[in-house]
Amino acid sequence: TQLLEQSPQFLSIQEGENLTVYCNSSSVFSSLQWYRQEPGEGPVLLVTVVTGGEVKKLKRLTFQFGDARKDSSLHITAAQPGDTGLYLCAGPHGNQFYFGTGTSLTVIP
Amino acid sequence: NAGVTQTPKFQVLKTGQSMTLQCAQDMNHNSMYWYRQDPGMGLRLIYYSASEGTTDKGEVPNGYNVSRLNKREFSLRLESAAPSQTSVYFCASSDTSTGTHSNQPQHFGDGTRLSIL
Repeated sequence: TQLLEQSPQFLSIQEGENLTVYCNSSSVFSSLQWYRQEPGEGPVLLVTVVTGGEVKKLKRLTFQFGDARKDSSLHITAAQPGDTGLYLCAGPHGNQFYFGTGTSLTVIP
Repeated sequence: NAGVTQTPKFQVLKTGQSMTLQCAQDMNHNSMYWYRQDPGMGLRLIYYSASEGTTDKGEVPNGYNVSRLNKREFSLRLESAAPSQTSVYFCASSDTSTGTHSNQPQHFGDGTRLSIL
């Protein structure tokens, strides 16, 4: 098992629908980051959350860090085909840096 | 802006062969990382270097060695390649001057796709 588990692993939705991606751990993280990765490229940072209960918005994307700092969620409103990609949560724990298992999102026009 | 440059982009090896993956960054970052990405497992940290001259093991270091040649360059070496090392390898850099694994973003290269037969 990995330290950061994401669900769902795959998600295929119609343009205009809403969706939520989850990132869960049994361990406490000092901060969590969310990245998006497109085919053939490396991940690109979307946001960093550092305070338990924190909510950050990036246009149609809303990120939340759990009160206990063991989980995070990414909510997309009115998904667009340009949102298609692999979404990864990540964060430091001990002297290591961990990425989640990833959620592959496909938005169908 | 080149950012993080990885070479080669693709490579096919036979079991037992050796090779070195190269990575260079032009952002004056102190920390550099090597990850491997396998389906359904996200990215897993192989080695990282918090500063020139220092390296530390990540989650999956077995079968790999690294060299932080200078502040810009961080190479990953497979001494005797095995089929289990077939993967996509990513190099990243970050400004962690405020502390190891800080909240600063990691900047990634486009990856090296490595197949071992």
